[in-house]
Amino acid sequence: KQEVTQIPAALSVPEGENLVLNCSFTDSAIYNLQWFRQDPGKGLTSLLLIQSSQREQTSGRLNASLDKSSGRSTLYIAASQPGDSATYLCAVARGETSGSRLTFGEGTQLTVNP
Amino acid sequence: DAGITQSPRHKVTETGTPVTLRCHQTENHRYMYWYRQDPGHGLRLIHYSYGVKDTDKGEVSDGYSVSRSKTEDFLLTLESATSSQTSVYFCAISKGGVNQPQHFGDGTRLSIL
Repeated sequence: KQEVTQIPAALSVPEGENLVLNCSFTDSAIYNLQWFRQDPGKGLTSLLLIQSSQREQTSGRLNASLDKSSGRSTLYIAASQPGDSATYLCAVARGETSGSRLTFGEGTQLTVNP
Repeated sequence: DAGITQSPRHKVTETGTPVTLRCHQTENHRYMYWYRQDPGHGLRLIHYSYGVKDTDKGEVSDGYSVSRSKTEDFLLTLESATSSQTSVYFCAISKGGVNQPQHFGDGTRLSIL
């Protein structure tokens, strides 16, 4: 059974700092890995998707990496801003024949202080 | 934003009553999913659909049933609600494919007293 762990559970940083969120998974046979953002009382917003054959993806100030062999992914946020405050969720997908089902970590709650 | 509408957004009901949650999409995506989100457990998959009338179980499917009679609608039914089913329920959709993310609705907060 796939298990996804995110460390740390919570993180508080001053504005402008670069930071790294960590995600680990137990089964390396993944289809893709997705990072989401969730604001309080809201749904999930897709940030980045890394296919199983890829090593990293970038979008603006966000960079996500994937190391399948070690079962790890990181989300790097550059020059953090108070608007980045949210919970960040990592999820790994099983293959298409399993409906690309996602297994989620419990998230890292990020607070960026002005 | 992906065109996903969940209804109702909030519901309070009593133990033993039937409850149906609706997910409606305007994107014509093949895949639809129901998740529940609980403190200490994160998001867990209840059921998913890979086409009209094609559904399968997720990891926490006991006590839930689903139906998809049209591409755009995916219904989640609690036949006889229990207090353990108090949760926030999210619907998600996807085109399918290794490079296609899942897009989520805003959720339904369900309280069973």
